[in-house]
Amino acid sequence: VMTQSPGTLSVSPGERATLSCRASQKISTKLAWYQQKSGQAPRLLIYGASTRATGVPARFSGSGSGTEFTLTISSLQSEDFAVYYCQQYNGWPLTFGQGTKVDIK
Amino acid sequence: EVQLLESGGGLVQPGGSLRLSCAASGFTFFNYAMTWVRQAPGKGPEWVSALSGSGGSIFYADSVKGRFTISRDNSKNMLHLQMNGLRAEDTAVYYCAKLRIGVRGILGGDTYVDLWGRGTLVAVS
Repeated sequence: VMTQSPGTLSVSPGERATLSCRASQKISTKLAWYQQKSGQAPRLLIYGASTRATGVPARFSGSGSGTEFTLTISSLQSEDFAVYYCQQYNGWPLTFGQGTKVDIK
Repeated sequence: EVQLLESGGGLVQPGGSLRLSCAASGFTFFNYAMTWVRQAPGKGPEWVSALSGSGGSIFYADSVKGRFTISRDNSKNMLHLQMNGLRAEDTAVYYCAKLRIGVRGILGGDTYVDLWGRGTLVAVS
């Protein structure tokens, strides 16, 4: 089970956002982060817990291993307000967290 | 351009069937494992099923095992999901997605989505 916190994060543009994801058992660094904007499909941001996908801005960074993971957005831009999901891929079934919504403060 | 385009969604009564299809383009389809992921309204994504590039390895979530069948036609760059015995809880947007496989391989579930389609809505009511 993947548990994300907080459920909603209110942040002002230009500020840092820190999102958490906890796995119910150790998953090494088999963790991905996705961004989903309203009405759109998710988009891969991070895989291997810390590797940015192609085209993802450097303000997005991931860290963690084992059971505790963090996605940090260093300076929020208007286009970053969205819902973020983590997903473990340490074995079947693949499982997602319930999401953290980042909205404008 | 790399693209996945789903079709086949719609409104169906409980107990009914639907067949979803996904047309892939812009990449060498048979080289990649593929998956279906669904998302109920207001909920997080839920993995449904996956299969290897050859179609020889297939995986299902417990919630759909015995009711859904995933398949692919590599000659046509198509992915399919046959859904039988549909229930209200199957209502969701269904996404076709391309998988990246890590060093432990697909048998170990070492795989994440690197490309999503736009999705197709399945409503069971």
